[in-house]
Amino acid sequence: DGGITQSPKYLFRKEGQNVTLSCEQNLNHDAMYWYRQDPGQGLRLIYYSQIVNDFQKGDIAEGYSVSREKKESFPLTVTSAQKNPTAFYLCASSPLERGTYEQYFGPGTRLTVT
Amino acid sequence: GNSVTQMEGPVTLSEEAFLTINCTYTATGYPSLFWYVQYPGEGLQLLLKATKADDKGSNKGFEATYRKETTSFHLEKGSVQVSDSAVYFCALRVSGNTPLVFGKGTRLSVIA
Repeated sequence: DGGITQSPKYLFRKEGQNVTLSCEQNLNHDAMYWYRQDPGQGLRLIYYSQIVNDFQKGDIAEGYSVSREKKESFPLTVTSAQKNPTAFYLCASSPLERGTYEQYFGPGTRLTVT
Repeated sequence: GNSVTQMEGPVTLSEEAFLTINCTYTATGYPSLFWYVQYPGEGLQLLLKATKADDKGSNKGFEATYRKETTSFHLEKGSVQVSDSAVYFCALRVSGNTPLVFGKGTRLSVIA
């Protein structure tokens, strides 16, 4: 079954700790994305990557870091510098071929920091 | 810049009522337009899309028509069901190598 896997579904951390969220896809997509979702705010782009070993900041990259060492994997680290890390995090991927524009989403990880 | 504006929710309807969720956009060039749906606690699923002016996307009884003259992509369904209760997101993409730009979402609740 092709798709995007995010783990874990729920994650709890103490304030001041870094935490890494996993995102894996077996769709052979070139591009991968991380979004943050807060109530009433819609989806906000954190980082995206179109090719291995390269990534770009989105609208709210401060306090986050990513890596793209493999095509299938795009982990997101929420650092202690992120002031309000509690949120629902969504990973997505898409092909880059001409004419194919939709993004495919994983099930999300709900992070709670106390 | 590129942006999407959706009607504010929440929207509450009785079963079998007609649904319209308004979506307008601002974009450079000619974007592709999308509606995604999010059920409670889940990720987003593509509901329908349209890639050029006057295209109509449709799926599961939902429809939306790409109107370039009014820069709109309103979502409609003739008869909603309780199972349609979810959050609906309108989105655009200007080219294949740029991320989707989303509206803030509209929560729909359908009561029996």
